[in-house]
Amino acid sequence: GNSVTQMEGPVTLSEEAFLTINCTYTATGYPSLFWYVQYPGEGLQLLLKATKADDKGSNKGFEATYRKETTSFHLEKGSVQVSDSAVYFCALSSGGGADGLTFGKGTHLIIQP
Amino acid sequence: GAGVSQSPSNKVTEKGKDVELRCDPISGHTALYWYRQSLGQGLEFLIYFQGNSAPDKSGLPSDRFSAERTGGSVSTLTIQRTQQEDSAVYLCASGYRPTLDTQYFGPGTRLTVL
Repeated sequence: GNSVTQMEGPVTLSEEAFLTINCTYTATGYPSLFWYVQYPGEGLQLLLKATKADDKGSNKGFEATYRKETTSFHLEKGSVQVSDSAVYFCALSSGGGADGLTFGKGTHLIIQP
Repeated sequence: GAGVSQSPSNKVTEKGKDVELRCDPISGHTALYWYRQSLGQGLEFLIYFQGNSAPDKSGLPSDRFSAERTGGSVSTLTIQRTQQEDSAVYLCASGYRPTLDTQYFGPGTRLTVL
């Protein structure tokens, strides 16, 4: 079956530091890959997505590249801000939407000023 | 436009009671999903509707759980004879073709079973 593995944290960084949150997956076929973010007290929001190998998703300074050879979709940001503090979820969909999303456990990111 | 809405936002119930959770998807979204978010299990996919039809109900945790969708819009998730392990945040999401795998989430219903 499908699965997603990500570092759970908490990950604590200083403002303006470089961020990497690792995500690897196991899936049948050619899944679409996603990063969702959950800010304190808010619902899940789509951060970025990639639908095929070598695609790069980007949004709000965050990037992730779909690496089929390493089955990875690591999230990166060059300079984090306090407002980036949230829980980040890596997810995949392999059924074109018919089978729901498979999520990782989530990574709690804390950015200190 | 309006996003996915869910009601109630919080529900506290006693063990053994039945509860109904409601989801209003984004207008025009044909696909609707239910998930459960709990500390121990993370985010679990429960069920998917395309229109009013749910092709696969195997993700529902037990036969105490049921879901329906009417008019291709509103959906209800019903939990009968609630147990303490049902305590979780229940999330609804909706999506539309052609990007059916991109889902838009509601704020969730926090269910507490005493």
